[in-house]
Amino acid sequence: NAGVMQNPRHLVRRRGQEARLRCSPMKEHSHVYWYRQLPEEGLKFMVYLQKENIIDESGMPKERFSAEFPKEGPSILRIQQVVRGDSAAYFCASSSSVNTEAFFGQGTRLTVV
Amino acid sequence: ELKVEQNPLFLSMQEGKNYTIYCNYSTTSDRLYWYRQDPGKSLESLFVLLSNGAVKQEGRLMASLDTKARLSTLHITAAVHDLSATYFCAVDRQGGSEKLVFGKGTKLTVNP
Repeated sequence: NAGVMQNPRHLVRRRGQEARLRCSPMKEHSHVYWYRQLPEEGLKFMVYLQKENIIDESGMPKERFSAEFPKEGPSILRIQQVVRGDSAAYFCASSSSVNTEAFFGQGTRLTVV
Repeated sequence: ELKVEQNPLFLSMQEGKNYTIYCNYSTTSDRLYWYRQDPGKSLESLFVLLSNGAVKQEGRLMASLDTKARLSTLHITAAVHDLSATYFCAVDRQGGSEKLVFGKGTKLTVNP
């Protein structure tokens, strides 16, 4: 059973471009969480999704950021018109249900130049 | 708002010594996690603590939970260089949607 797969592992974007980060959860996992980690900081919750639904987006910036988890395919975190402050590591985690431990992917390290 | 505080944030210790990392949190929680992160890598789950008085041990690491004091500790026994990493505690908000609130991490360096 493969773990949580994120791609790309590293992503470089120029200011103003769009960034798309993908997360394939573990098999049989229908709950996905996205976190952002700034340098020398802990992870900060962004959004919690189940298949086709956003359950909690209280950690998402109000503008430029969006997330989806379609019925088929990976979860996508989309950042439009990236700025330097978006440079961070973005981690995805998945779990099989609300009360079970979530497992983390390897992360996508976004650099905005 | 749930807050999680770790201390110390930086810890440099010699091989063979013992030390404890502390994790305080501000409101009642269902679960407390300890993770290890190596530079540029993902988080490796070390322990999940579910109830008051829980104690878990793996190798040179032992974690405990006191829910009344809202305190967890990660004790390192006879440290070795391979334990050098950043250690995070994270708390799951009670009745919440599984979103974890993380401490800032303790960067541990074990010197030969």
